[in-house]
Amino acid sequence: QKEVEQNSGPLSVPEGAIASLNCTYSDRGSQSFFWYRQYSGKSPELIMSIYSNGDKEDGRFTAQLNKASQYVSLLIRDSQPSDSATYLCAVKNRAGSYQLTFGKGTKLSVIP
Amino acid sequence: NAGVTQTPKFRILKIGQSMTLQCTQDMNHNYMYWYRQDPGMGLKLIYYSVGAGITDKGEVPNGYNVSRSTTEDFPLRLELAAPSQTSVYFCASSYGPLNYGYTFGSGTRLTVV
Repeated sequence: QKEVEQNSGPLSVPEGAIASLNCTYSDRGSQSFFWYRQYSGKSPELIMSIYSNGDKEDGRFTAQLNKASQYVSLLIRDSQPSDSATYLCAVKNRAGSYQLTFGKGTKLSVIP
Repeated sequence: NAGVTQTPKFRILKIGQSMTLQCTQDMNHNYMYWYRQDPGMGLKLIYYSVGAGITDKGEVPNGYNVSRSTTEDFPLRLELAAPSQTSVYFCASSYGPLNYGYTFGSGTRLTVV
């Protein structure tokens, strides 16, 4: 059973702070990693993808991947109230497998 | 630029009724998926398709059926609705199998009473 684990939160951070969201996965063959943002009552929206060990930055967002530790994280710098949402970690397993396995999500609340 | 379109947005079914959830994408994606999302349970894959005429079961296929006669359309059929099928259903599509994320539709909120 391939599993993706996230702390459900809620994670509360003050406006302007760095929010750190973490995710672990069980399948060592996992090759692609994604972060989705989901506002309440809305559909998930892709915000970051990462495939290689290390950091990947896109604006205020940084994804970090450590395949040896089976760990992926998302940092949100200068957090804004509009970042308040549930963040879903998703993992694609071995080449030839087509499905994303999602974590249950971490709810982030940015306090003005 | 519609992306992935799902209909209806809301539906109330009585136990034992049947319905089809519609999903259409205009991005020429070969890969399409149906997920359900229950509170606190995350997204669970119901069925997926890698191209017209090809479908396969996901993690929670019981009580559902799909077809894929065209690249654009991937309807989900619920037969003999049960309260356990009360959920939010998302259709998604993807350009490729590995290094591509999904584009999600806006979802269908289904209640079975």
